[in-house]
Amino acid sequence: EAGVVQSPRYKIIEKKQPVAFWCNPISGHNTLYWYLQNLGQGPELLIRYENEEAVDDSQLPKDRFSAERLKGVDSTLKIQPAELGDSAVYLCASKRGAGEETQYFGPGTRLLVL
Amino acid sequence: GNSVTQMEGPVTLSEEAFLTINCTYTATGYPSLFWYVQYPGEGLQLLLKATKADDKGSNKGFEATYRKETTSFHLEKGSVQVSDSAVYFCALSGDFGNEKLTFGTGTRLTIIP
Repeated sequence: EAGVVQSPRYKIIEKKQPVAFWCNPISGHNTLYWYLQNLGQGPELLIRYENEEAVDDSQLPKDRFSAERLKGVDSTLKIQPAELGDSAVYLCASKRGAGEETQYFGPGTRLLVL
Repeated sequence: GNSVTQMEGPVTLSEEAFLTINCTYTATGYPSLFWYVQYPGEGLQLLLKATKADDKGSNKGFEATYRKETTSFHLEKGSVQVSDSAVYFCALSGDFGNEKLTFGTGTRLTIIP
């Protein structure tokens, strides 16, 4: 079974530029998460999807961040415009559905904003 | 709200030493508890979990017991190997539909041959 796929693995941009991250969850997994991991910290939830519906986006900075999960499979997280403080690792995770305990994480996208 | 407090690192041990990484939590209800491991250049991998009080999770020689009375979930291994060098994260997920994982800050473990 293939794991969670994320791309790109690394991204370097200048501040004020837009950037997008892509995630393909494990096949059959209805729940998808985006987490932010700052250096030396644990991941923090940005948004959770159940199928195509965003059911928890309370931690997503909506002035510059947006996300979508069309057709309830792949998801894209976008930042526009990026700021220096957005430099971090963006992790995608998925699980089969509500009631399932274990989340499976992708390798992450490491973003550097100059 | 929920929170996880994890033993600060970094931790450096010699091969075959005994390992303990402390983790305590604050949560309402009956959370599930997890240890995730992050090897260099890789994503987070589930190491073990426990879903109710007194459960013991185990995997690859690692163990952790869900202690509700002390709100703890300490990670232990009797004899570490160089390949165990990684960052270890303690985490909890809430109950009753609170699906979010709350992580500790992580503990970097280095094993010296």
